[in-house]
Amino acid sequence: QQPVQSPQAVILREGEDAVINCSSSKALYSVHWYRQKHGEAPVFLMILLKGGEQKGHEKISASFNEKKQQSSLYLTASQLSYSGTYFCGTEQGLGNEKLTFGTGTRLTIIP
Amino acid sequence: SQTIHQWPATLVQPVGSPLSLECTVEGTSNPNLYWYRQAAGRGLQLLFYSVGIGQISSEVPQNLSASRPQDRQFILSSKKLLLSDSGFYLCAWKPTGANYGYTFGSGTRLTVV
Repeated sequence: QQPVQSPQAVILREGEDAVINCSSSKALYSVHWYRQKHGEAPVFLMILLKGGEQKGHEKISASFNEKKQQSSLYLTASQLSYSGTYFCGTEQGLGNEKLTFGTGTRLTIIP
Repeated sequence: SQTIHQWPATLVQPVGSPLSLECTVEGTSNPNLYWYRQAAGRGLQLLFYSVGIGQISSEVPQNLSASRPQDRQFILSSKKLLLSDSGFYLCAWKPTGANYGYTFGSGTRLTVV
């Protein structure tokens, strides 16, 4: 079953913060986050493994709550280049290495 | 460094015609390979994946098929295209094992007319 993301879309002004949530009904081994610009392929941002870790990548970070089967992506001080559609992807375990993508969140940053 | 190549970039095909999309990966061995499809304005749907030569797992029953004739080559085919096969087809790879992100090819935009 496909992970559900919220919100579906968000519009921010440059410099504002955003949180994108990803929720799964299945137990997860890992959560991935990707950004896709219009007409382009998705680009990998980060991976989080079960254990409840948090990761950061410049002004973009994420957390993974294994017990709740949820992950959140945090974008701080957003830049115009952050615009695009964000997808979470989930893997259920070793030996089950296939990524199921979430419903997507469209992020628009305006000047 | 590893690179992934996917072609063609765009394709317009009539209903009922065959399809062959090719994807190759360079700079690595024994990669996991994946085919995804994205309908306009929608999410990414996993179609097929492969963990080795000749090993293909199908996720969605349909008139598409996949083959992996060589370690770093992944082919998506159809004998007869349907209108519903239109979409953005993306090939992806990752190293075998956990803890790796997926790297996508540039995609093929297929329009069936």
